Amino acid sequence: GAVVSQHPSRVICKSGTSVKIECRSLDFQATTMFWYRQFPKKSLMLMATSNEGSKATYEQGVEKDKFLINHASLTLSTLTVTSAHPEDSSFYICSASGGAVPIHEQYFGPGTRLTVT
Amino acid sequence: ELKVEQNPLFLSMQEGKNYTIYCNYSTTSDRLYWYRQDPGKSLESLFVLLSNGAVKQEGRLMASLDTKARLSTLHITAAVHDLSATYFCAENSGGSNYKLTFGKGTLLTMNP
Repeated sequence: GAVVSQHPSRVICKSGTSVKIECRSLDFQATTMFWYRQFPKKSLMLMATSNEGSKATYEQGVEKDKFLINHASLTLSTLTVTSAHPEDSSFYICSASGGAVPIHEQYFGPGTRLTVT
Repeated sequence: ELKVEQNPLFLSMQEGKNYTIYCNYSTTSDRLYWYRQDPGKSLESLFVLLSNGAVKQEGRLMASLDTKARLSTLHITAAVHDLSATYFCAENSGGSNYKLTFGKGTLLTMNP
């Protein structure tokens, strides 16, 4: 149980375009989802926390207008990178908790590798 | 500011030897997590430690938590090639959303 999927797994886009990444909890209702980004050979950096039906809470230094997060249902959260630039290229990982999952645990998706050319 | 410090950051292992990764954290949290990450992949949960003195073992890996010292250790017994990966510890800050703060990770490689 507690499976989290992400789509797409890889995406290449041109500079200036927007990209949407989906995060789904497949077998539980995720009241809270987290979005992280990871640069090569670096640790995970929390970008934002989203609770279903509420606005996302962004970490300091993360541009909310650039990284749009929507958590419209208990099984789906989306991250949209708007007007992407090469410096946005990164590995984006979501995690989810809630429902039958113990509240202190997060289950991680497989990640989405974004390359902006 | 929450801080999670791992050491060492790099570990070159020899087959059959024992190693320990240390994870120091800065708050009074009593929830500590260990994850494994293979290249190009996401995180795999290894251990969840929820109380002082907690010890968990899975195969050649054993994790422990000392909340008084704010220290967790991940011990590797008789290293094998399959254990090559990056290992992260993370602290749960509590609060309403239970955010995780990650250490920098420890890259384990096997000496040929």
